[in-house]
Amino acid sequence: QKEVEQNSGPLSVPEGAIASLNCTYSDRGSQSFFWYRQYSGKSPELIMSIYSNGDKEDGRFTAQLNKASQYVSLLIRDSQPSDSATYLCAVENTGNQFYFGTGTSLTVIP
Amino acid sequence: KAGVTQTPRYLIKTRGQQVTLSCSPISGHRSVSWYQQTPGQGLQFLFEYFSETQRNKGNFPGRFSGRQFSNSRSEMNVSTLELGDSALYLCASSPHRVVDTEAFFGQGTRLTVV
Repeated sequence: QKEVEQNSGPLSVPEGAIASLNCTYSDRGSQSFFWYRQYSGKSPELIMSIYSNGDKEDGRFTAQLNKASQYVSLLIRDSQPSDSATYLCAVENTGNQFYFGTGTSLTVIP
Repeated sequence: KAGVTQTPRYLIKTRGQQVTLSCSPISGHRSVSWYQQTPGQGLQFLFEYFSETQRNKGNFPGRFSGRQFSNSRSEMNVSTLELGDSALYLCASSPHRVVDTEAFFGQGTRLTVV
C-alpha cells in the first residue's frame, strides 16, 4: 500500500465550476498535510497546508482534512483555465518523512 | 532576490558512473531538501539538510548522498548510477523547514542514465 494515494485523473471541469481533488494516506499518526500545484514543465509550488481536522480556506482554495478517515481534499471554487495543472498531495508522517501522491491532472475547460 | 539555482540543468551519464548535482538556495535560507521526480513514481523526498546537518531522510539507498556547506549551498551525489536513476532532481530551499510557505523549488536537473 502506498503512503499517499491520489486519483491520477485526468479531471476536467468547466470554467466557474468547483474542482474536487482527493487524497488518502496510510499512516494514521500523520500530522501535516500539504497541497502543491505543478504546471507542466515547471517545479511544484505549495498552495495549501493543513494540520487540524476540518476546513481551511484561502481565497478560492479550501483544504479539508478528516484524520479519522485518513482523507485530505482540495476544493477549487470558481475554477479558472489558469488552474489547469497537476495537483500533488503530500503528507508528513510520524517519522517526519515526506510522501507525495503521484498527482491529479486538472483541466479547466473555458 | 535570486531564486533557487540548480546546476547543471541537464546531464547524461553512463550506468555505473557517479554524478554530483548542485543547489544554491535563496539567500538566508538554511534548509535545503532534495527530491526525485519520475513519471512512474512521482515526486519522492530524498533528504533535507539544515545548517550542514542531514535532518531528514527518505527511503532511498545509500548510493544517494548529500552534503551542505557553510554557505547553505548543497550537493547531492549518486554513485554507481542505474538506468532507473534517470529522473528530474529538484531541490527546494526554505528558511527553516522542509515544507514552508517560504519554501521554493529550483528548476531541477534532468539526469539521463544510458
